Amino acid sequence: GAVVSQHPSRVICKSGTSVKIECRSLDFQATTMFWYRQFPKKSLMLMATSNEGSKATYEQGVEKDKFLINHASLTLSTLTVTSAHPEDSSFYICSARETGTESYTFGSGTRLTVV
Amino acid sequence: GNSVTQMEGPVTLSEEAFLTINCTYTATGYPSLFWYVQYPGEGLQLLLKATKADDKGSNKGFEATYRKETTSFHLEKGSVQVSDSAVYFCALRGGTSYGKLTFGQGTILTVHP
Repeated sequence: GAVVSQHPSRVICKSGTSVKIECRSLDFQATTMFWYRQFPKKSLMLMATSNEGSKATYEQGVEKDKFLINHASLTLSTLTVTSAHPEDSSFYICSARETGTESYTFGSGTRLTVV
Repeated sequence: GNSVTQMEGPVTLSEEAFLTINCTYTATGYPSLFWYVQYPGEGLQLLLKATKADDKGSNKGFEATYRKETTSFHLEKGSVQVSDSAVYFCALRGGTSYGKLTFGQGTILTVHP
């Protein structure tokens, strides 16, 4: 079946530094990828939708200059948390939609801790 | 806009008990409905789905029926196992969401031996 690889699974960084999270579709092409943030005991909040080769569409209230999304190929999207602060600590999950289908596959998530 | 409401958790059951997790939705048009499961420290996995009214999705003993008249998609399992302990999310796609998934708040299920 379709697999999405998300790395790293866990990362700890210092305040003020940047962290890049990768989301890669291993055996299918994904024109569209989604980035979610999950707070403890809460649901998933969609942060942005990225389409290959174009700028990401951010949800209301999400700072696009802080959460940089790049989707340069049909199999890779990256989320960079810039100038991270402790309040950015969270669980980030990507999802990829296989091109031409309505099939969504989720990555295993990245636990970000900013100290 | 679209919204999904799940029953409040957490839900704690003994092994072999019957499970129901309620889910209701608000959407225009004819959305597709999903149940996802999240095991500790992992991402979401699709459990089952239904794409039109009266469809029944089923997988691993779990079932849910798309009820348009009550705008519901309740998840059921006749006999839960300890390995079913996880967080369950109801979600919809369609209506005004233009392909995006809208999730409920999640329900934590704990099954004891």
